[in-house]
Amino acid sequence: QSVLTQSPSVSGAPGQRVTISCAGSSSNIGAGYDVHWYRQLPGTAPKLLIYDNDNRPSGVPDRFSGSKSGTSASLAITGLQAEDEADYYCQSYDTSLSCSVFGGGTKLTVL
Amino acid sequence: QVQLVESGGGVVQPGRSLRLSCAASGFTFSSHTMHWVRQAPGKGLEWVALISYDGSNKFYADSVKGRFTISRDTSKNTLYLLMNSLRSEDTAVYHCARVFHSSSSAPFDYWGQGTLVTVSS
Repeated sequence: QSVLTQSPSVSGAPGQRVTISCAGSSSNIGAGYDVHWYRQLPGTAPKLLIYDNDNRPSGVPDRFSGSKSGTSASLAITGLQAEDEADYYCQSYDTSLSCSVFGGGTKLTVL
Repeated sequence: QVQLVESGGGVVQPGRSLRLSCAASGFTFSSHTMHWVRQAPGKGLEWVALISYDGSNKFYADSVKGRFTISRDTSKNTLYLLMNSLRSEDTAVYHCARVFHSSSSAPFDYWGQGTLVTVSS
């Protein structure tokens, strides 16, 4: 059972917009800790997609955006493309556990 | 460019030990806190351990505390994870990861491809 909760799967057609949610609690996201998002293609290492809630590393297209409110966060992907099909994970810090915590991951399927 | 290359994985019997290595290049290794994150087959990511940039602070997940030891050798630009008393539930791909800055909630900005550890009799 992951500390951060994500829907197991989400899907969308090419060109559409999808959102992936990440629900936390008062000991992690709600405590003010930043949320980061990663994309993982099968058999590869996770790649940082969004950091500090809503910032994109260099090279990440502006189709990807992040937001945070209260005890949850969201990743939005617009203009969905076939190559966006991957697993997406959120990450934050939990003050009760004193460690980094991840969501269980959301598998994005492009129809 | 930043590169992190893990090695040392393999098949090991329950109760035995294994040491993983992570060779770092393309950045000033001694300036960054480093982590180990694992992923069981078909499962999500689980944080395992961290070591501060100078090796003075080490933290572990409860699931590995007392069994795993993280260390680093700045002269070799290498991160290590010594895993003792291995259990079947330790079976996973182990990734080393660099953090962007030293804050406790820092993002992992570079990851290695990982090395597979299989604990089985």
